[in-house]
Amino acid sequence: AAGVIQSPRHLIKEKRETATLKCYPIPRHDTVYWYQQGPGQDPQFLISFYEKMQSDKGSIPDRFSAQQFSDYHSELNMSSLELGDSALYFCASSLGAGQTGGNEKLFFGSGTQLSVL
Amino acid sequence: GEDVEQSLFLSVREGDSSVINCTYTDSSSTYLYWYKQEPGAGLQLLTYIFSNMDMKQDQRLTVLLNKKDKHLSLRIADTQTGDSAIYFCAESPANQAGTALIFGKGTTLSVSS
Repeated sequence: AAGVIQSPRHLIKEKRETATLKCYPIPRHDTVYWYQQGPGQDPQFLISFYEKMQSDKGSIPDRFSAQQFSDYHSELNMSSLELGDSALYFCASSLGAGQTGGNEKLFFGSGTQLSVL
Repeated sequence: GEDVEQSLFLSVREGDSSVINCTYTDSSSTYLYWYKQEPGAGLQLLTYIFSNMDMKQDQRLTVLLNKKDKHLSLRIADTQTGDSAIYFCAESPANQAGTALIFGKGTTLSVSS
């Protein structure tokens, strides 16, 4: 079965550079979520989109932005990268509450490992 | 605010049962989840339970929910070395599309042969 696809798998950037992470949800899923997981940490919610509109916002820095496109894929744009941005970035997708009665079963991609040097 | 707590480590022998515990704070959570993360991998949804249930069994996994105490547990029967991973408890505090899951810090399960 198709899963959530994230690209790239690994990314190395220098401080103050920009990065774009991409996420392709499971087909028919209309909701995407972005999480950041530092080493040895639990995943921290950044932002989510439902039907191409932002639906929830977590601890996403102002230097980051994201959007969901008409084909439901999503991109996380990160600017002015800092050393502390080094982490594993996960995208997850789900079928919205209107379809599943509120059961937010999130399916995660394998993540993008971002290293900022 | 919402907070999900778990013990950080659990060590068991192969063949024993493992019980991972979790407490959550938001009584409005409709569903509660268990995710598994192996080293260098994404989070894999293991199982979930609807808040009006108190138990759910799925093969070797048994989820117990005590809604009054906001306590959730995951029991793994006949634990295998392949079960070694980090297990995250998560709650969904609002019943609308796009609302984030809140994760606990994760319990590292170590299974020795």
